[in-house]
Amino acid sequence: LAKTTQPISMDSYEGQEVNITCSHNNIATNDYITWYQQFPSQGPRFIIQGYKTKVTNEVASLFIPADRKSSTLSLPRVSLSDTAVYYCLVNQAGTALIFGKGTTLSVSS
Amino acid sequence: EAGVAQSPRYKIIEKRQSVAFWCNPISGHATLYWYQQILGQGPKLLIQFQNNGVVDDSQLPKDRFSAERLKGVDSTLKIQPAKLEDSAVYLCASSLVRGQGKLFTEAFFGQGTRLTVV
Repeated sequence: LAKTTQPISMDSYEGQEVNITCSHNNIATNDYITWYQQFPSQGPRFIIQGYKTKVTNEVASLFIPADRKSSTLSLPRVSLSDTAVYYCLVNQAGTALIFGKGTTLSVSS
Repeated sequence: EAGVAQSPRYKIIEKRQSVAFWCNPISGHATLYWYQQILGQGPKLLIQFQNNGVVDDSQLPKDRFSAERLKGVDSTLKIQPAKLEDSAVYLCASSLVRGQGKLFTEAFFGQGTRLTVV
């Protein structure tokens, strides 16, 4: 069973910042938080991963509070091409990824 | 760097027939996964290999599904006999083994094989 809870869907407009929050109340000490993105007819693609505090890369930022019971994926200035399903996962390094239903983000002009 | 290769991309079969999917992981990736993704759902892990050994196959319906990775590289997933509810996208993914100089082992996915059982 997936160890995370996230909204089923979100809507946004181009140029806005989108924040998707994920709840993982039972996260273990050795668990990492990872986000994947999936476009239709493609396999999931890694976006960002973190353990605590804040992580930023060229695509997104990941905010993790001190208790690690939740995390927020932040996508700055989204475009139409960011329309996809976003999955939040928690797992130990080297273990299989267990996916939930994800959050379907729809970006419109 | 070449990605994870899967074939065929699409397959349509009748129920009770058999079907096989092939996966070639990224070179050097010791860990290989097969996932099943039903429309509208997240990918579900079927089996995980480490080289040619099975790490986790607890979610694999062993009465009809089988998978092998004989030489620790390519892998084949077979369904025999197929049922209507097997209609899904079958995704293959690969990753480095933890400890090969990396703490986090990102999984790389192929484009999948879309199976339709009629």
